Amino acid sequence: EIVLTQSPATLSLSPGERATLSCRASQSVGTNLAWYQQKAGQAPRLLIGGASNRATGIPARFSGGGSGTDFSLTISSLEPEDFAVYYCHQHINWPLTFGGGTKVEIK
Amino acid sequence: EVQLLESGGGLVQPGGSLRLSCAASGFTFSSHPMNWVRQAPGKGLEWVSTIGESGSDTYYADSMKGRFTISRDNSKNTLSLQMNSLRAEDTAVYYCVRRLVLGSRWGTFDYWGQGAPVTVSS
Repeated sequence: EIVLTQSPATLSLSPGERATLSCRASQSVGTNLAWYQQKAGQAPRLLIGGASNRATGIPARFSGGGSGTDFSLTISSLEPEDFAVYYCHQHINWPLTFGGGTKVEIK
Repeated sequence: EVQLLESGGGLVQPGGSLRLSCAASGFTFSSHPMNWVRQAPGKGLEWVSTIGESGSDTYYADSMKGRFTISRDNSKNTLSLQMNSLRAEDTAVYYCVRRLVLGSRWGTFDYWGQGAPVTVSS
């Protein structure tokens, strides 16, 4: 099983600041990694697929990078609606797995 | 517009059974692998099961094998999850999720339903 480790667990930032989230895989997943955003009481929403491709309708302030085992999600300038929990996910190996999540909270 | 609408959630006793359904619309259902992903209260996301486009290929997380059965009816655009021998640790919101197809490969999850809550308790 591929284990995805997200860091930090919590990120406390102010609106307008830059957020950088990390996801490390226990073995290579190539670029078969996605990022999701989940707000309280809502279903997850796809932000980034293929490690770096923004999903339809996702603002340009969200960017993804990396390949192999090390990945990042960057929010260039936090908007109030960006405070949420973010999950990475690998879809190349069974069982499909998710990281434990990073909560981006208002400082 | 892609829509996934789950139903069938509720309260069930340990050892009991429950069947979840997902009604899909707004896309060609038979062209996409479909999935169930769950989230226990206050916890992260956990993949449960995947079924291929035709229904002939199925995959399960180890803790669900032998207890859960995924199926689909492409004529009715519906996905189902039959859950037997339920345990307290199966308590979660269960999401119906579409999977992208990229040429001949399966991609990531792109659309999620709003979820069906399942509580296993006596």
